[in-house]
Amino acid sequence: KAGVTQTPRYLIKTRGQQVTLSCSPISGHRSVSWYQQTPGQGLQFLFEYFSETQRNKGNFPGRFSGRQFSNSRSEMNVSTLELGDSALYLCASSQNQAGAANTEAFFGQGTRLTVV
Amino acid sequence: EDQVTQSPEALRLQEGESSSLNCSYTVSGLRGLFWYRQDPGKGPEFLFTLYSAGEEKEKERLKATLTKKESFLHITAPKPEDSATYLCAVPAGNMLTFGGGTRLMVKP
Repeated sequence: KAGVTQTPRYLIKTRGQQVTLSCSPISGHRSVSWYQQTPGQGLQFLFEYFSETQRNKGNFPGRFSGRQFSNSRSEMNVSTLELGDSALYLCASSQNQAGAANTEAFFGQGTRLTVV
Repeated sequence: EDQVTQSPEALRLQEGESSSLNCSYTVSGLRGLFWYRQDPGKGPEFLFTLYSAGEEKEKERLKATLTKKESFLHITAPKPEDSATYLCAVPAGNMLTFGGGTRLMVKP
């Protein structure tokens, strides 16, 4: 059974640019969550999608957005990149929506974004 | 407010020296507690789920236990390959709330 796949693995962008990251969840999983991980802040929740609906959003500016497609694949977009957006972006998939039973989340390898 | 706190932040052990990592939590209505292992530059790898106080799970040299206020990850006779950051998390609302992690270093 294939795991969670995130692409690309590494990205270097310039301040002011925008970026789109992709996540393919485990087959059969309908929930996809995104997290930002930095050395100083740890893992911080960005948003969760379940059946194409955003159910929860973390405390991040509107420059961070996402969507989920009918096949459960998800993308997140960051516009007008800032130096502070440099981080490891992690996607996690689970069978059910967070908060319900069987919600073990399985993570992808992440996308390392560097903003210069 | 739901909170998860892990201690210690870092732990250095000699190979074979057993120890425990702590994860204390404050949530309204625990719906599971998850342990993960994370290697540098990689995504967290799922280890265990615990649902109720008194529950224990084991995998190789790791054993996770749960009480009403905290969870412990016991590492028995660790090896250098057990070196990693160990994270615990609880479901809170529609997301997982993570602790800050414990960075474990096992020296040969």
